[in-house]
Amino acid sequence: DIQMTQSPSSLSASVGDRVTITCRASQSIRNSVNWYQQKPGKAPKLLIYDASTLQGGVPSRFSGSGSGTDFTLSISSLQPEDFATYYCQQTYNSPIGFGQGTRLDI
Amino acid sequence: EVLLVESGGGLIQPGGSLRLSCAASGFTVSSNFMNWVRQAPGKGLEWVSVIHSGGTTNYADSVKGRFTVSRDNSKNTLYLQMNSLRAEDTALYFCAGDSSNGWYRFDYWGQGTLVTVSS
Repeated sequence: DIQMTQSPSSLSASVGDRVTITCRASQSIRNSVNWYQQKPGKAPKLLIYDASTLQGGVPSRFSGSGSGTDFTLSISSLQPEDFATYYCQQTYNSPIGFGQGTRLDI
Repeated sequence: EVLLVESGGGLIQPGGSLRLSCAASGFTVSSNFMNWVRQAPGKGLEWVSVIHSGGTTNYADSVKGRFTVSRDNSKNTLYLQMNSLRAEDTALYFCAGDSSNGWYRFDYWGQGTLVTVSS
């Protein structure tokens, strides 16, 4: 199975900061990565698919990049509503899997 | 507007069975890939199963042989039959709709239903 390793596991930042979260796959997975945001007590929300395509309705301060084994999610200027947990997901082959999550705190 | 509403969770003893439901509106279960994803308390996301629009099913190794995913097209509802439940199956179970038709792009989620396996 493909393992997805996210880093950091937690991150503290301030409103207006730029942050980057990294996800590394245990083997090459082309661009088969999605990113989700989850707030406490809520379902995850799809932010980015195919490594870099912004899901409709997601603010442009979110961006994704990478291919092969290394992927990043960036938030250009943190807003109060961005403090949440973020997960990467590999969709290259079954079983699809998620990273362990990155908790973004104020 | 797409709405996915899970139900059927609860407290069950180890070895017991439970059937979860996910009623969909604004989204046709039979025309899309539908998934179950679970989240143990305080933990990350774990994909559980998928049913393809064509009816093919697939499961995580952790539930294979114990869980069965199915759907009722007339009710536009997805199900997860869970047998031989274990303590490690305790989690919030989400149904997730994939409108990308198999690229595992989970763009629609329910609110989840909690399953607690304990004696």
